[in-house]
Amino acid sequence: GAVVSQHPSRVICKSGTSVKIECRSLDFQATTMFWYRQFPKQSLMLMATSNEGSKATYEQGVEKDKFLINHASLTLSTLTVTSAHPEDSSFYICSARELNEQFFGPGTRLTVL
Amino acid sequence: QKEVEQNSGPLSVPEGAIASLNCTYSDRGSQSFFWYRQYSGKSPELIMSIYSNGDKEDGRFTAQLNKASQYVSLLIRDSQPSDSATYLCAVVGPRGGSYIPTFGRGTSLIVHP
Repeated sequence: GAVVSQHPSRVICKSGTSVKIECRSLDFQATTMFWYRQFPKQSLMLMATSNEGSKATYEQGVEKDKFLINHASLTLSTLTVTSAHPEDSSFYICSARELNEQFFGPGTRLTVL
Repeated sequence: QKEVEQNSGPLSVPEGAIASLNCTYSDRGSQSFFWYRQYSGKSPELIMSIYSNGDKEDGRFTAQLNKASQYVSLLIRDSQPSDSATYLCAVVGPRGGSYIPTFGRGTSLIVHP
């Protein structure tokens, strides 16, 4: 299947700082990427749909000013968690769609102290 | 509201047995159906996709789709301890022109030696 990478895989930061997570489709072009968050022992929660060249579509309850998404190219989408707080600590996973199938990146574990 | 329902489990089966995982969905317009495997602390991995009624086999895995009953299942033959994971059912249908996947909460499978 298609390969999606994420960077960094793990990040620890102080409260109030901003963290940028990169999601790349390595062997295909993805006009649409998705960003998910998953808390321990809970299900995936879709945060937003990232469309290349246009504004992201955020799910209800997700603050677009806090979770900034940029999809500037067909292979790269970024999620920036601005002014992170301990409650933002979670597992953030991106995915990219190739044809009808969706492939996930390995995830980024964010810990905010 | 589109829903995808899965029994959270855990489903416990002995090594070598057949594990049967089930999923129902509410949106009759759904067109694509996927099974993902997620190991603890890792991101989901696509294992099967199915688009038309009937069975689709891939190695030890068989996906079954019944659109009339809005039901999709995954059978794992000759279950191995390494199959122990959470299995996520995902259903895709048009939502505002963009095909957004809806995930179930997942079924935890435990294969014991």
